[in-house]
Amino acid sequence: AQSVAQPEDQVNVAEGNPLTVKCTYSVSGNPYLFWYVQYPNRGLQFLLKYITGDNLVKGSYGFEAEFNKSQTSFHLKKPSALVSDSALYFCAVRAPLANNNDMRFGAGTRLTVKP
Amino acid sequence: GAVVSQHPSWVICKSGTSVKIECRSLDFQATTMFWYRQFPKQSLMLMATSNEGSKATYEQGVEKDKFLINHASLTLSTLTVTSAHPEDSSFYICSARDRRVGGTDTQYFGPGTRLTVL
Repeated sequence: AQSVAQPEDQVNVAEGNPLTVKCTYSVSGNPYLFWYVQYPNRGLQFLLKYITGDNLVKGSYGFEAEFNKSQTSFHLKKPSALVSDSALYFCAVRAPLANNNDMRFGAGTRLTVKP
Repeated sequence: GAVVSQHPSWVICKSGTSVKIECRSLDFQATTMFWYRQFPKQSLMLMATSNEGSKATYEQGVEKDKFLINHASLTLSTLTVTSAHPEDSSFYICSARDRRVGGTDTQYFGPGTRLTVL
């Protein structure tokens, strides 16, 4: 079964600095990987995903993530953080089976960007 | 884009009553929808997978008779919390998978429903 680990509960960065939110995964075969963001009392918003192709995936709001097969990682990055990026971020993985609906989420990482 | 709505966004009810939450995919048909529960400062816990025209598939430990799921059409799934108790208070989030031909094959989430049982 697939699983996801987000090793950091909390990430703090200063506005304007680059940010990284870490994610590692475990799955049989090539994974489908996703990042979602959640603002307080809201559902999850899709940021980006990796299915195949270029290892560097660009998503919404200036975020990007790099798929690293050898390290089984899919870290989320942004070159310059904004205070409005402060939120809860979830990494998710799904095994690449045609009818597989089983998506597994990490525990979440709370990002705080300070002005 | 792909939009998923939920109604209501919040509900307060008395213990013993039943509450129905609706999940709609607004601009695509979803043969499969998902219901999650989220406790404060925790990740999403998959409760069940809702399949249009058939019975839902429940995760281990989730009571089928407690959390009734109906997926009557390709754009609507409902979750009914029956005989609610304070321990059912939580944030419930639905999701629909966009499997249209040429689509993104991505799960899109509703805004969530905050249930408080007094």
